[in-house]
Amino acid sequence: AQKITQTQPGMFVQEKEAVTLDCTYDTSDPSYGLFWYKQPSSGEMIFLIYQGSYDQQNATEGRYSLNFQKARKSANLVISASQLGDSAMYFCAMSPANNFNKFYFGSGTKLNVKP
Amino acid sequence: DGGITQSPKYLFRKEGQNVTLSCEQNLNHDAMYWYRQDPGQGLRLIYYSQIVNDFQKGDIAEGYSVSREKKESFPLTVTSAQKNPTAFYLCASSIRTGGKNIQYFGAGTRLSVL
Repeated sequence: AQKITQTQPGMFVQEKEAVTLDCTYDTSDPSYGLFWYKQPSSGEMIFLIYQGSYDQQNATEGRYSLNFQKARKSANLVISASQLGDSAMYFCAMSPANNFNKFYFGSGTKLNVKP
Repeated sequence: DGGITQSPKYLFRKEGQNVTLSCEQNLNHDAMYWYRQDPGQGLRLIYYSQIVNDFQKGDIAEGYSVSREKKESFPLTVTSAQKNPTAFYLCASSIRTGGKNIQYFGAGTRLSVL
């Protein structure tokens, strides 16, 4: 069974500082993709970053980077230089390669950026 | 602009009534999905479709039905058999390229029961 765990229901960060949002996953599939999405209060889910399980390097997209530790089955999202607009819910998701249309989502972390 | 359009933004259902949520995409994506989100929770898959005229049940399909008659459209019907329909519904689409299958989402429909 696939399971995604986000242990931080809420986080605070000061504007311009970096923040790490935790995500661990449980899967027996050898190949999978890991995703992070941002959900502002408007509700739309915005894709942020992708990491393949066989990728040698950690993924980066602008201010977002993914700290992928395969042996620990963790895929933490790092946001550098936080901005007020980063305040939102953040969801980690995993999709097994042998069933790539199935996405498994965590329960999310609410990030609040303080001015 | 390319994207995924969900309508309506807000929907109210009376007891015993079926309601249909619309999802249209102009991204030329092959696969489309419907998710349900309850307050404070993540997304749960209702149905997905990889190609026209084909769809599969997700984890919580009971009380819901879908159709995929056109590539760009994937409407979701919430039937009267769904006893707790109040939730936020998100539609997504994806296309698999280079081994990646990234889902892109619409803005959602918030369904409430009168």
